[in-house]
Amino acid sequence: QKEVEQNSGPLSVPEGAIASLNCTYSDRGSQSFFWYRQYSGKSPELIMSIYSNGDKEDGRFTAQLNKASQYVSLLIRDSQPSDSATYLCAVHSNSGYALNFGKGTSLLVTP
Amino acid sequence: GAVVSQHPSWVICKSGTSVKIECRSLDFQATTMFWYRQFPKQSLMLMATSNEGSKATYEQGVEKDKFLINHASLTLSTLTVTSAHPEDSSFYICSARPPGQTFPYSGNTIYFGEGSWLTVV
Repeated sequence: QKEVEQNSGPLSVPEGAIASLNCTYSDRGSQSFFWYRQYSGKSPELIMSIYSNGDKEDGRFTAQLNKASQYVSLLIRDSQPSDSATYLCAVHSNSGYALNFGKGTSLLVTP
Repeated sequence: GAVVSQHPSWVICKSGTSVKIECRSLDFQATTMFWYRQFPKQSLMLMATSNEGSKATYEQGVEKDKFLINHASLTLSTLTVTSAHPEDSSFYICSARPPGQTFPYSGNTIYFGEGSWLTVV
């Protein structure tokens, strides 16, 4: 069973702070890693994708990947109340097309 | 606009009846579509891979006779929940990817439908 693990939270941070979201995966053959944001009752929307070890920055978001530790994280700088949502980590292995999702971390940014 | 469209967005049905959910790719031909199910506060769980012109591939634990998938055209896959029961109440989401891409696939080209809320009463 290929696992993607996330702390379900909720993670509460004050507005303007950095939110740090973590994810581990079990399949060493995984090649692509994604962070999705999902608002309640809505479909997930892509925030970041990362394929190589290291950091990838896009605006207020930074994804970090460490394949040796099988760990991927998402940092959200200058967190805003509108960032409050569930963040899903998804992993794509080399053995199929479908994404394997974690349970998601609920983030609450308080004004 | 939406690249992958689902219909209906929400549906309520009586226990024991069947309900059909449609997933359409609007801008591309999708030989493969994926059906996920999400219970409250849970992850998206892959139910099945829908292949155009052939039988769907179901994940372990998903009853193929209960969740009928038909991918009769390159732009339409349907999921029919037969003899629905309250425990089937969930959020059903489809996804699709345009053909002709190489692995690793870009996240920007994995399109999700808007999702369909099913409530069985």
